[in-house]
Amino acid sequence: AQSVTQPDIHITVSEGASLELRCNYSYGATPYLFWYVQSPGQGLQLLLKYFSGDTLVQGIKGFEAEFKRSQSSFNLRKPSVHWSDAAEYFCAVGAGGTASKLTFGTGTRLQVTL
Amino acid sequence: DSGVTQTPKHLITATGQRVTLRCSPRSGDLSVYWYQQSLDQGLQFLIQYYNGEERAKGNILERFSAQQFPDLHSELNLSSLELGDSALYFCASSGGTPGGPSTYEQYFGPGTRLTVT
Repeated sequence: AQSVTQPDIHITVSEGASLELRCNYSYGATPYLFWYVQSPGQGLQLLLKYFSGDTLVQGIKGFEAEFKRSQSSFNLRKPSVHWSDAAEYFCAVGAGGTASKLTFGTGTRLQVTL
Repeated sequence: DSGVTQTPKHLITATGQRVTLRCSPRSGDLSVYWYQQSLDQGLQFLIQYYNGEERAKGNILERFSAQQFPDLHSELNLSSLELGDSALYFCASSGGTPGGPSTYEQYFGPGTRLTVT
């Protein structure tokens, strides 16, 4: 069964600084990979997705992520963080088959200091 | 706004009671998913429907059931509620056919926060 690990529970960065959130997955084949963001009291918003092809994918709000097969990673990056980026970020993996469920990591809470 | 709607936004009820959560998917999406988010379990997949048919089950308790209606809206029924059922319940929807990559691109509603007292 597939699994997702987000090793950082909580990260604090200064506004304007760069950001990298880590995500490692476990799956035998190439999975479908996603990053979602959840603001307090809100639902999950899809930031970006990886299905195949170019390993660097661009998403909304200036985020990007890079798929590295050799490291089983799909890290989320942003060159300059804004205070409004403070939220919880979830990495998710979808594996092939008829059940299109997503398996989520435990999330990384991002705090942005001014 | 994802286009997925859920009602009610909040629900407070007592142990032993039964509640129904409602979800309307994005226009054109045939797949509906239910997820539970709790502090101790994180985000867990409960069940998937595609065009009215159940497609997959996750860690869904026997006290919970769901269905998808001909107009594609879905309801999640939770019965004999326990304190531990307090959580945020999300509905998500996607397009495409089951197993294809599009079905994994899921759009989430705002959730229903259930509090069992």
